[in-house]
Amino acid sequence: DGGITQSPKYLFRKEGQNVTLSCEQNLNHDAMYWYRQDPGQGLRLIYYSQIVNDFQKGDIAEGYSVSREKKESFPLTVTSAQKNPTAFYLCASSLKGGSYNSPLHFGNGTRLTVT
Amino acid sequence: QQQVKQSPQSLIVQKGGIPIINCAYENTAFDYFPWYQQFPGKGPALLIAIRPDVSEKKEGRFTISFNKSAKQFSLHIMDSQPGDSATYFCAASAYNQGGKLIFGQGTELSVKP
Repeated sequence: DGGITQSPKYLFRKEGQNVTLSCEQNLNHDAMYWYRQDPGQGLRLIYYSQIVNDFQKGDIAEGYSVSREKKESFPLTVTSAQKNPTAFYLCASSLKGGSYNSPLHFGNGTRLTVT
Repeated sequence: QQQVKQSPQSLIVQKGGIPIINCAYENTAFDYFPWYQQFPGKGPALLIAIRPDVSEKKEGRFTISFNKSAKQFSLHIMDSQPGDSATYFCAASAYNQGGKLIFGQGTELSVKP
């Protein structure tokens, strides 16, 4: 079954700790994305990667870091520098960049709570 | 210029009604306009999408209307059902700008039996 796996589904951390969210895809997609979802604000792009070993900042990259060492994996680290990390995090992938012939497919998200 | 503005924020209709969700954009380079449906606790799933060279697209009970000159597009749900209750997001991207999807703020739809 092809798809995107995000783990864990729920994650709790203390303030000041870094935390890494996992995203794995077996769709053989080149492009991968991380979005953050907050109530009433839609989905905001954190980082994206169009190819292995390369990634670009999205609109809200401050306090986050990523790596893309393998085609199928795109982990996101939420650092202690992120001022308001509690949110629902969504990973997505597409064959190439998002387009009519290359739609984005999403995982089922990780809900991070920092106290 | 990268924003996509979506309205209304929430919508309640009776079963069988036709909810309409509207989106507007500024970036004329956008060339892909999908709609996503999201149920609580799940990731968004692609519902229907349109290219700017087409003014309307239908898939089952879902229709996108696209007005290129006004830079607006909308989702209509015909004969809405309680199972359509979900959050709907419009989005847009430009292939020559990295294909990053820019999302609207979302519309929470409730269809009453």
